[in-house]
Amino acid sequence: GENVEQHPSTLSVQEGDSAVIKCTYSDSASNYFPWYKQELGKGPQLIIDIRSNVGEKKDQRIAVTLNKTAKHFSLHITETQPEDSAVYFCAASSRGGGFKTIFGAGTRLFVKA
Amino acid sequence: DSGVTQTPKHLITATGQRVTLRCSPRSGDLSVYWYQQSLDQGLQFLIQYYNGEERAKGNILERFSAQQFPDLHSELNLSSLELGDSALYFCASSPRTGVSTDTQYFGPGTRLTVL
Repeated sequence: GENVEQHPSTLSVQEGDSAVIKCTYSDSASNYFPWYKQELGKGPQLIIDIRSNVGEKKDQRIAVTLNKTAKHFSLHITETQPEDSAVYFCAASSRGGGFKTIFGAGTRLFVKA
Repeated sequence: DSGVTQTPKHLITATGQRVTLRCSPRSGDLSVYWYQQSLDQGLQFLIQYYNGEERAKGNILERFSAQQFPDLHSELNLSSLELGDSALYFCASSPRTGVSTDTQYFGPGTRLTVL
């Protein structure tokens, strides 16, 4: 079946450095790719998303890139801060056979002050 | 705050019991989604409702069922509970359905512990 692979599972960076999280999806019908941040004890919160007709999107320190040919997309966080520490999930959504969103397994990001 | 509310926040029960989790979507949202998140695991899609009707099904066990009411709130019913059902259960909502680019907004979750 369809799946989304996310790497790395854990990422530790120094404050001010950049962090990159990568995801690969298998369903070629996927056309929407959101990224969620989940802090301890809270629900996932959308931080950025990208649609299949766009290759890159940026929002302040966060950017997402999409390569539809290779079926992978990445989250880039620049100038990381301790409050960026959380679990990040990528997801891929498609319409085929009914609405479907598949999440990656998550990346636990630690930003060391 | 996403605008999605879930109750209760915590639930502790015993094996074999039945529980009901409740979700109120954001104002105006017609779609509700349920997800299960086990310890240190990703989010597993369970089921989606749109305006009272079931629209998509994921890896939902037969012991689990859900419904969406005319006021658009939704309930997830878990029966014959097993230890392995212990998890966080999230509800999400979005404005529409069948639109794969619809953003889902998540509630704070219900933590279920089965003893």
